[in-house]
Amino acid sequence: GENVEQHPSTLSVQEGDSAVIKCTYSDSASNYFPWYKQELGKGPQLIIDIRSNVGEKKDQRIAVTLNKTAKHFSLHITETQPEDSAVYFCAASIRDDKIIFGKGTRLHILP
Amino acid sequence: GAVVSQHPSWVICKSGTSVKIECRSLDFQATTMFWYRQFPKQSLMLMATSNEGSKATYEQGVEKDKFLINHASLTLSTLTVTSAHPEDSSFYICSAGRRNYNEQFFGPGTRLTVL
Repeated sequence: GENVEQHPSTLSVQEGDSAVIKCTYSDSASNYFPWYKQELGKGPQLIIDIRSNVGEKKDQRIAVTLNKTAKHFSLHITETQPEDSAVYFCAASIRDDKIIFGKGTRLHILP
Repeated sequence: GAVVSQHPSWVICKSGTSVKIECRSLDFQATTMFWYRQFPKQSLMLMATSNEGSKATYEQGVEKDKFLINHASLTLSTLTVTSAHPEDSSFYICSAGRRNYNEQFFGPGTRLTVL
């Protein structure tokens, strides 16, 4: 079955700098790659997703890249702000199948 | 995105009692609902997948007689934790999806504490 690895587990960046979180997946049939942000005591919130027919997608300060050949995808957050502090999960799935989550990255934005 | 609600948001119960958690998709018809549990500082662990009108499919290691799942309509799924014990204390999160679409929309979660 699918396995998703996520790095780093913890990331601290200075406010205003960029943050990058990387994930790899094992099943080449996976075609959907969402990213979730989870704040303390809340459910995960979808912040951006990318499908296997696209190599890059951007939404304001957030961008995601996908390399199907290498089976890895990354989340980039630019101009980080204090409210970006949270746990971020990458995930992978095949249509109609369950979503497999990475272990999460705890992002700290330092003042 | 679509809105998914959960009720209650938190519950405290005595050991041995049963607790029911509701998950509702408020603005779309969810053909599939998923139930997860999450321990502190860990990732989401999928417990079961339920399709409307059929029996839930449980992940390996999840006791179906202990975690009863009902998905009677396209907008409501329930998870009942039977004979709860302290080790069942966790954050339970549901998500809702539609057939032929990848996206899942997550509820806000329910914090269960078993004394």
